[in-house]
Amino acid sequence: DIQMTQSPSTVSASVGDRVTITCRASQSISPWLAWYQQKPGKAPKLLIYKTSTLESGVPSRFSGSGSGTDFTLTISSLQPDDFATYYCQHYTSSVYTFGQGTKLEIK
Amino acid sequence: QVQLVQSGAEVKKPGSSVKVSCKASGGTFSNFDINWVRQAPGQGLEWMGRIIPIPGLTNYAQKFQGRVAITADKSTNTAYMEVTSLRSEDTAFYYCARASSNGWYPFDYWGQGTLVTVSS
Repeated sequence: DIQMTQSPSTVSASVGDRVTITCRASQSISPWLAWYQQKPGKAPKLLIYKTSTLESGVPSRFSGSGSGTDFTLTISSLQPDDFATYYCQHYTSSVYTFGQGTKLEIK
Repeated sequence: QVQLVQSGAEVKKPGSSVKVSCKASGGTFSNFDINWVRQAPGQGLEWMGRIIPIPGLTNYAQKFQGRVAITADKSTNTAYMEVTSLRSEDTAFYYCARASSNGWYPFDYWGQGTLVTVSS
């Protein structure tokens, strides 16, 4: 089974900062990688799929990149609404694997 | 507008079963898989399994094989997820989420979540 590992587990940042979260797969999964945002008490929200495609309605300050086993989610200029937990997910047509999550906290 | 609406919170005894529903509206039910994702309190997301409503094909994460059953009622656009032999570690939020059946797609719409509490 493919394992997904995110780093860091927690990141502290300020409004306006640029933040990067990393997701590593145990084997090559390109380009089948998605990113979700989850706020407390809410369902996750799809941000990016197929490594770098922005879901409709998601602000352009979010971007995704990567290939093979290494992927990143970048928030170019943090806004107050961005403080949340972020999950990567490898998806196929029948199996889905999440990373353990990265909590983005206010510094 | 696409919506997935789940049934309400449940409190169950250890050893019992729970069945959570997920009613879809605003889309063509047969064009999407319905997946179930578990999230224990303060923990991450864990994919449990999914169903393709037509033809009713299912597959499960190995961890949940044999103890979880996912079904769908096409006449009411509703999917169900049943967990048997409940234990305290099954206390969690359970989410349904859809993915297009036509290829490899992530989860674009989610239900609001159902809290299942297992306690004696």
